[in-house]
Amino acid sequence: QEQLVESGGGVVQPGRSLRLSCVASGFTLSTYAMHWVRQAPGKGLEWVAVISYDGTNKYYADSVKGRFTISRDNSKNTLYLQMNSLREEDTAVYYCASALVVAAAFDYWGQGTLVTVSS
Amino acid sequence: QSVLTQPPSASGTPGQRITISCSGSGSNIESNTINWYLQLPGAAPKLLIYGNNQRPSGVPDRFSGSKSGTSASLAISGLQSEDEADYYCAAWDDSLNGWVFGGGTKLTVL
Repeated sequence: QEQLVESGGGVVQPGRSLRLSCVASGFTLSTYAMHWVRQAPGKGLEWVAVISYDGTNKYYADSVKGRFTISRDNSKNTLYLQMNSLREEDTAVYYCASALVVAAAFDYWGQGTLVTVSS
Repeated sequence: QSVLTQPPSASGTPGQRITISCSGSGSNIESNTINWYLQLPGAAPKLLIYGNNQRPSGVPDRFSGSKSGTSASLAISGLQSEDEADYYCAAWDDSLNGWVFGGGTKLTVL
């Protein structure tokens, strides 16, 4: 059964960094584009970033551009999100999700990992 | 403010048919396909409709999607109590070069 499991969340002070990971099981990550989507407490979904199956194309939401970096290691079936210069407004549950291609629907989602940015 | 506009809430009684709207612009809904996601309380989102009107395997045919111009709709017929959830529309935006979501609609089954 296809499954995505995120990890790496936690409490971090403003201005610090954090790296999230998303490991796939039951399917090969290398054939899918991968997304990060976040949800602030009590709020709606916000798309964060996407990376193509081979890592050559990356797109970011304006709110994270220049601070966050999406990457992948297909040999480890793992997706990453490096988050630098964190702000309190980055506090959210971060989900990873797979898609056939960058502009296709997000078909499988992980359960999410909570990132809290607070002093 | 979300790029795609949804009503914040909707409600219906069991067995009823309801629709949830999603309004966008020429750079997102009009130019690209729309997808719908369902999020049950405390759970991760799940794909409900893709490609405007396609249902993934396992999604009941009570759920249907449509699109016209810069707007789209999700219809749920034969409403059931387990349909109580948040519903989100999403589309690729050619101007932003990224994905945009609607603000979400909280469906209550009375």
